[in-house]
Amino acid sequence: DQQVKQNSPSLSVQEGRISILNCDYTNSMFDYFLWYKKYPAEGPTFLISISSIKDKNEDGRFTVFLNKSAKHLSLHIVPSQPGDSAVYFCAASAWTGGGADGLTFGKGTHLIIQP
Amino acid sequence: DTEVTQTPKHLVMGMTNKKSLKCEQHMGHRAMYWYKQKAKKPPELMFVYSYEKLSINESVPSRFSPECPNSSLLNLHLHALQPEDSALYLCASSQGRTSGSADTQYFGPGTRLTVL
Repeated sequence: DQQVKQNSPSLSVQEGRISILNCDYTNSMFDYFLWYKKYPAEGPTFLISISSIKDKNEDGRFTVFLNKSAKHLSLHIVPSQPGDSAVYFCAASAWTGGGADGLTFGKGTHLIIQP
Repeated sequence: DTEVTQTPKHLVMGMTNKKSLKCEQHMGHRAMYWYKQKAKKPPELMFVYSYEKLSINESVPSRFSPECPNSSLLNLHLHALQPEDSALYLCASSQGRTSGSADTQYFGPGTRLTVL
């Protein structure tokens, strides 16, 4: 059962416009959410995160919104730039009481920025 | 500095070989992780080390054997692998987590493993 879902395998956006990537989750124990950007054959690069006690976090062109009641989060990129073209993964973790917890990833959305 | 390094970058091995993947971080992080990523799939958690002790093993076959010699190093020993084990192996590290705290994992570039 997929606990983190990214239902759009790909998204095409014009340069300068807003890119909105969506993520849904089913596990109500998730309390920390992250977005990573990934190029082929490279490791994921951390972009931005949000704790479940917040509903918005902003860092430059990137904003993440969390709707806990809907179990939904979204990543907004504005303005979109050609260098933003990559696969974006949504990830979540749940505190299990130990010193560290693994991440559960969605399947990713391939963002393509059109010039 | 949020750098995690992994060696080797590429590895080709036969099913009877023994090899090791290495991961290093110098951020003072107390938690380290191994993930496996197959083509067109998301990363999947394999192992979690917290304060140099194995805390999570996601039912990984025994042909994968993790080791944490110290807080900066993480190894993954490989023996008698199968062709289906071919994948990108990712290492990550983080500060570690207490209740309510945020804990961001930083990933290395990965080792591309091919099992013949």
